[in-house]
Amino acid sequence: DVKVTQSSRYLVKRTGEKVFLECVQDMDHENMFWYRQDPGLGLRLIYFSYDVKMKEKGDIPEGYSVSREKKERFSLILESASTNQTSMYLCASSFQGNQPQHFGDGTRLSIL
Amino acid sequence: AQSVTQPDIHITVSEGASLELRCNYSYGATPYLFWYVQSPGQGLQLLLKYFSGDTLVQGIKGFEAEFKRSQSSFNLRKPSVHWSDAAEYFCAVRLTGGFKTIFGAGTRLFVKA
Repeated sequence: DVKVTQSSRYLVKRTGEKVFLECVQDMDHENMFWYRQDPGLGLRLIYFSYDVKMKEKGDIPEGYSVSREKKERFSLILESASTNQTSMYLCASSFQGNQPQHFGDGTRLSIL
Repeated sequence: AQSVTQPDIHITVSEGASLELRCNYSYGATPYLFWYVQSPGQGLQLLLKYFSGDTLVQGIKGFEAEFKRSQSSFNLRKPSVHWSDAAEYFCAVRLTGGFKTIFGAGTRLFVKA
């Protein structure tokens, strides 16, 4: 079974802090994704990566950056956390082509 | 622009009753179609997928979905709901030749005894 592991289930940070969310997958997937999930809005794509050191902006990249130094790891960075970034963050990965995405359990991030 | 619509924000069904969750998409060609389920505090789990061929696809946990090209729909069904099916369900569309998957806003299913 594919395993996508997010480093924290719950995280509480203060405004202005630099926040790192880590995601690791064990299936040698080329593609990795970061989403945020808010009630009534479904999942919105923040960034994705289709190869090591490659990244593409999604629909809501403002205030975020990402890093993919190794194939199995994809990090989401909040450069200066703000209260409107309080949300559930989901990481996903997939093979190339038409294969479905596999999701981690999510990180519920609160910015105070 | 491409979009996915799940018209029902929430649905309540009695245990043992049948279930249908609606999904419509807007896209010029036939996309890849998925249904995911999310239990509270968990990530999304793939229930089933449609790429091509037979328009009725079977998934895990007794779910099935039917692709109707003329209606741009991909509705999820289950003949007899169990209490453990209470969760949020997401329809998703992946554009052919692309990386991006578009998710609907979700339908929360409540199951009453």
